[in-house]
Amino acid sequence: RKEVEQDPGPFNVPEGATVAFNCTYSNSASQSFFWYRQDCRKEPKLLMSVYSSGNEDGRFTAQLNRASQYISLLIRDSKLSDSATYLCVVISMGSTLGRLYFGRGTQLTVWP
Amino acid sequence: ETGVTQSPTHLIKTRGQQVTLRCSSQSGHNTVSWYQQALGQGPQFIFQYYREEENGRGNFPPRFSGLQFPNYSSELNVNALELDDSALYLCASSLPNVGELFFGEGSRLTVL
Repeated sequence: RKEVEQDPGPFNVPEGATVAFNCTYSNSASQSFFWYRQDCRKEPKLLMSVYSSGNEDGRFTAQLNRASQYISLLIRDSKLSDSATYLCVVISMGSTLGRLYFGRGTQLTVWP
Repeated sequence: ETGVTQSPTHLIKTRGQQVTLRCSSQSGHNTVSWYQQALGQGPQFIFQYYREEENGRGNFPPRFSGLQFPNYSSELNVNALELDDSALYLCASSLPNVGELFFGEGSRLTVL
């Protein structure tokens, strides 16, 4: 079983739509969680960290459910520039420093 | 830009050949991680170097090897190339024990 599972999509939504991505992780000892964004043929970049209490950054809201080992990302009022692949990332307890487990990514296309 | 630079950006090799990929980390970062990203997949951890020592390895065979230099730049070497080694190779630098990795733009390797 993979450490991190994501629905690869693709998700195709109109501008202004609200879209949600989900991710599950297998190691209950996982300690840190992130969403990275990767534009086509570019490198991944940190979008936001995910905290137990949930956190929001503008139009983006991240949630963590430790009991269900589930992470989500909600994007409100989608913009064309949000089109990208969103990678769910987990750091597990005891893993090598800097060893991040990436999901395969969820592809989002926002159309006009 | 992240300040992490990789070279070469693109290269083509044939099966059985050897390749060396290079990475200069962001100033002040003493930890370098290497990831392999196949098409349509998330990045997979190859190994990490911290202060010139290998500090963890993913599920890759010994023909994948690396080095880190005193200035914290790093090399990834792959011997006896196979077709499945075709991928984007990403270098990421960071400070120890933090979740934000700063990725270079990657080296895209094609093995024919």
